[in-house]
Amino acid sequence: DTAVSQTPKYLVTQMGNDKSIKCEQNLGHDTMYWYKQDSKKFLKIMFSYNNKELIINETVPNRFSPKSPDKAHLNLHINSLELGDSAVYFCASSQGLKGYTFGSGTRLTVV
Amino acid sequence: GENVEQHPSTLSVQEGDSAVIKCTYSDSASNYFPWYKQELGKGPQLIIDIRSNVGEKKDQRIAVTLNKTAKHFSLHITETQPEDSAVYFCAASYSGGGADGLTFGKGTHLIIQP
Repeated sequence: DTAVSQTPKYLVTQMGNDKSIKCEQNLGHDTMYWYKQDSKKFLKIMFSYNNKELIINETVPNRFSPKSPDKAHLNLHINSLELGDSAVYFCASSQGLKGYTFGSGTRLTVV
Repeated sequence: GENVEQHPSTLSVQEGDSAVIKCTYSDSASNYFPWYKQELGKGPQLIIDIRSNVGEKKDQRIAVTLNKTAKHFSLHITETQPEDSAVYFCAASYSGGGADGLTFGKGTHLIIQP
């Protein structure tokens, strides 16, 4: 199936740990993104990558770092996790004027 | 930067009735306006979009209207069904859905009463 897939779906971890969320798209899109959805359902962009170049870097802590080994992957690394990082993280991709396609999300819970 | 306001935050309608969700945007340079439906435990799914060179677009029971002068756009769902129950998000973008990313409204929880 063509899609944006992200793993894991659920992630529970302790404060201070380092974790990664993986994302892959097989749609041939040239831009990939990470969005954060907070407890009030508000969706906000964190990063986007186009041809291995960071296009947008919103005001997120530098504990968050996107890494793109190739055009089809954009992983999210988070260092020194904090309670406030608990949220649902969505990966997405787009191609030019075509609409975004979102993954199914990773629910991160920091305890 | 762009700011998108969405109303109402919750909308309850009787099955078979119509539902309307409204959004306003601040950046007159925005030219792409998609609508997403998010069901519980799932990612947002694109249901319809409109570009600034079009005033209205329809797809079966769903329609979107855009007023560039007033900087607002609306989602219309007719003959609502139980499966329409979900959270709906409007969004706006300058580059037509490209690398600049989408700015989302805060969502509308649509409840279809049987």
